[in-house]
Amino acid sequence: QVQLQQWGAGLLNPSETLSLTCAVYGGSFSGYYWSWIRQPPRKGLEWIGEINHSGVTNYNPSLKSRVTISIDTSKNQFSLKLNSVTAADTALYYCARVRQGWLSYYFDSWGLGTLITVSS
Amino acid sequence: EVVMTQSPVTLSVSPGERATLSCRASQSISSDLAWYQKRPGQAPRLLIYGASTRATGIPARFSGSGSGTEFTLTISSLQSEDFAFYYCQQYHNWPPITFGGGTKVEIK
Repeated sequence: QVQLQQWGAGLLNPSETLSLTCAVYGGSFSGYYWSWIRQPPRKGLEWIGEINHSGVTNYNPSLKSRVTISIDTSKNQFSLKLNSVTAADTALYYCARVRQGWLSYYFDSWGLGTLITVSS
Repeated sequence: EVVMTQSPVTLSVSPGERATLSCRASQSISSDLAWYQKRPGQAPRLLIYGASTRATGIPARFSGSGSGTEFTLTISSLQSEDFAFYYCQQYHNWPPITFGGGTKVEIK
């Protein structure tokens, strides 16, 4: 059974770069897309973007100018960088596995989440 | 962007009773909808995809229905572990993938 373990610095100052990594244990790594999703306090979920084993990415247009998702297939890990953070980026950040196919795109395994707080 | 709206925001239900959660899309999304459960301190769990197909290991008391713009998640007889947040997600028109704001199912 696949498990996703994520980590990263939890407290940032405005204008800094958020950096998170997600390690995947068990199951196939190369056969899937991998995604980042966040949830600001008292709000719904927001899809940030995705990457596959070849490094092909898709991003949420609202965040595209500040986001980079990368992958390290040798370690079964993928990472998120979000630059120029503000208080609006304060959220619980999740990594997740994507089940993507013809007429389907949903998240069947998730990490536990990392709380990121942006405050001066 | 497809906007997903969930109602109610909070649903108070007694154990053993039925819970009916709604999700509305701002445009037709066919049956391209998933539902997730989120309990405090736990990772979100996929419940339903394709609007009505239960994910692996999901109990039969969870069922999904709907197509187009109106969708429903029904929990036929609430168990203690079902008191949680529930989110819908569309994948018909993306990017971006979009989620609803969530419904909290609480003990009445």
